Amino acid sequence: NAGVTQTPKFQVLKTGQSMTLQCAQDMNHNSMYWYRQDPGMGLRLIYYSASEGTTDKGEVPNGYNVSRLNKREFSLRLESAAPSQTSVYFCASSERASPLYEQYFGPGTRLTVT
Amino acid sequence: EDKVVQSPLSLVVHEGDTVTLNCSYEVTNFRSLLWYKQEKKAPTFLFMLTSSGIEKKSGRLSSILDKKELSSILNITATQTGDSAIYLCATLHWAGGTSYGKLTFGQGTILTVHP
Repeated sequence: NAGVTQTPKFQVLKTGQSMTLQCAQDMNHNSMYWYRQDPGMGLRLIYYSASEGTTDKGEVPNGYNVSRLNKREFSLRLESAAPSQTSVYFCASSERASPLYEQYFGPGTRLTVT
Repeated sequence: EDKVVQSPLSLVVHEGDTVTLNCSYEVTNFRSLLWYKQEKKAPTFLFMLTSSGIEKKSGRLSSILDKKELSSILNITATQTGDSAIYLCATLHWAGGTSYGKLTFGQGTILTVHP
């Protein structure tokens, strides 16, 4: 099992450009999440999908959109990138959205917006 | 506001030493506490502790949850250079008005193990 995979690993964008980060999991998990990690801020939830067909905002959703394409895949889109979105982005999944199920993380995407 | 605090923020030891990492939390609707190890990439899941499982052990790593003191410790015995990483503590709890378990992370403890 690959677990949670993300593409790309690295990306540099100019302000105003758009891009989509891809995430897939092969653990048959129902719930998927997108986090960003910034120095001194820890990991913060951007969006989550409790189950296929549903998505909801997390703590820092502004400037992002998501799509739960199917049970395996959950993508994060930056429509008009800003330097404040420079960060490391992690996708995660869990069997269910309940707080009794641990979340497993992908390898991350390091995004720089100039 | 939900809060998870880890201490120390960084720790330097030599191989063979035993270390104890601390985590305290103040969250509403607490359900579980998790420990992750983060090297250069993704946080790797280590343990989950709940009211029905307050002590976990795996090899040289062990963790205890103290629900009365709202805290947890992660012990690593006979440390090795491969244990060098950031150790993250996080709580899972129902986020009010939502349908998911919210994961709130501490700042992490940077552990460096010298040969």
